[in-house]
Amino acid sequence: NAGVTQTPKFQVLKTGQSMTLQCAQDMNHNSMYWYRQDPGMGLRLIYYSASEGTTDKGEVPNGYNVSRLNKREFSLRLESAAPSQTSVYFCASSENGANVLTFGAGSRLTVL
Amino acid sequence: AQSVTQLGSHVSVSEGALVLLRCNYSSSVPPYLFWYVQYPNQGLQLLLKYTTGATLVKGINGFEAEFKKSETSFHLTKPSAHMSDAAEYFCAVSASGTYKYIFGTGTRLKVLA
Repeated sequence: NAGVTQTPKFQVLKTGQSMTLQCAQDMNHNSMYWYRQDPGMGLRLIYYSASEGTTDKGEVPNGYNVSRLNKREFSLRLESAAPSQTSVYFCASSENGANVLTFGAGSRLTVL
Repeated sequence: AQSVTQLGSHVSVSEGALVLLRCNYSSSVPPYLFWYVQYPNQGLQLLLKYTTGATLVKGINGFEAEFKKSETSFHLTKPSAHMSDAAEYFCAVSASGTYKYIFGTGTRLKVLA
């Protein structure tokens, strides 16, 4: 019962480098999300995908792009990393909107 | 618009004491309310949820929460704290037909022996 799987778990980047965070879920959920978690700020929504083929901006989308590759997979790309993007990133999925979120274990990203 | 306020970023209780974590929300539509728990270096896990119906909601590990519309609150309680309850707790609000959850800033619970 894998649930939501994120890779990589840790990554260190230099300013200006690019990278993609991968997320896959095996629960046949329709909706997928990317959040970032920063101390004292809770979780903030970056992008979400209500269903396969659709993506929408959340609270903090600047500097990020996403791809809903298929129903299972939802990737987050940083085109030109900045120190302000140092954070822990969580992928989540739900059957549909406003339902319970199932989270991955997180990806800790450091941008130097 | 929706918002969530968690009072107290850190709460300490003695083992066996009552746990009370406070959450107040603002919502222009009937809210769906959630409590999630995060253990160190892990993702968030659902403790309990309120959507409609009974206002007292029971969750896992002996936790419960009561939806009080008049007070716009959804406080989390547990009668007797256990060492294993030490974690960070997040309150969240959403609504039917939306994909945007709003999370509170979290309350870190410390349980003293």
